[in-house]
Amino acid sequence: AQSVSQHNHHVILSEAASLELGCNYSYGGTVNLFWYVQYPGQHLQLLLKYFSGDPLVKGIKGFEAEFIKSKFSFNLRKPSVQWSDTAEYFCAVTPYGNNRLAFGKGNQVVVIP
Amino acid sequence: DGGITQSPKYLFRKEGQNVTLSCEQNLNHDAMYWYRQDPGQGLRLIYYSQIVNDFQKGDIAEGYSVSREKKESFPLTVTSAQKNPTAFYLCACNSAIGNTEAFFGQGTRLTVV
Repeated sequence: AQSVSQHNHHVILSEAASLELGCNYSYGGTVNLFWYVQYPGQHLQLLLKYFSGDPLVKGIKGFEAEFIKSKFSFNLRKPSVQWSDTAEYFCAVTPYGNNRLAFGKGNQVVVIP
Repeated sequence: DGGITQSPKYLFRKEGQNVTLSCEQNLNHDAMYWYRQDPGQGLRLIYYSQIVNDFQKGDIAEGYSVSREKKESFPLTVTSAQKNPTAFYLCACNSAIGNTEAFFGQGTRLTVV
């Protein structure tokens, strides 16, 4: 079964700082990749996704992620965070043709005003 | 509005009792999933179903049971055999084929006392 690794479970940064969250997966075939976000007290919602094409994908709220196939990575970035970006972020992977999602353990991000 | 609904939002049960969590979707999705979310552990897959009358164990199925008698519904029973049932439970659905994202319910927080 595929697995997903997210490092630095707790991230604390100040407003306007840049954010990068790492995601690595273990699966040798073609994959679909996702980042989900869970704001405090809210349900999971999709931040961005990669199926094919341009490896740099743009999501909502100024987030972007880059798929690097050779590194089995799909890192999430935002150049300048806001207090409202305080949330838990989850990377998820499905093998192509199989929509069973595997999640990483999440990154708890706290942005200090 | 199309969506996925979990009920109840909060649930309290005495130790030793079975309890059933509801999940209903009107997105016409074939696949449905149950995840358990614990702090620092991310989302772990309990059971999933790709089609009516069929379901598969996930990574932590022990102490849980499910049924899939209708496409729209995928209830989860937390049995007395589950050693640590207090958790946040999330239901999700997506299309069983093709490249699609998963949609999540609001979750049920189960507390066993």
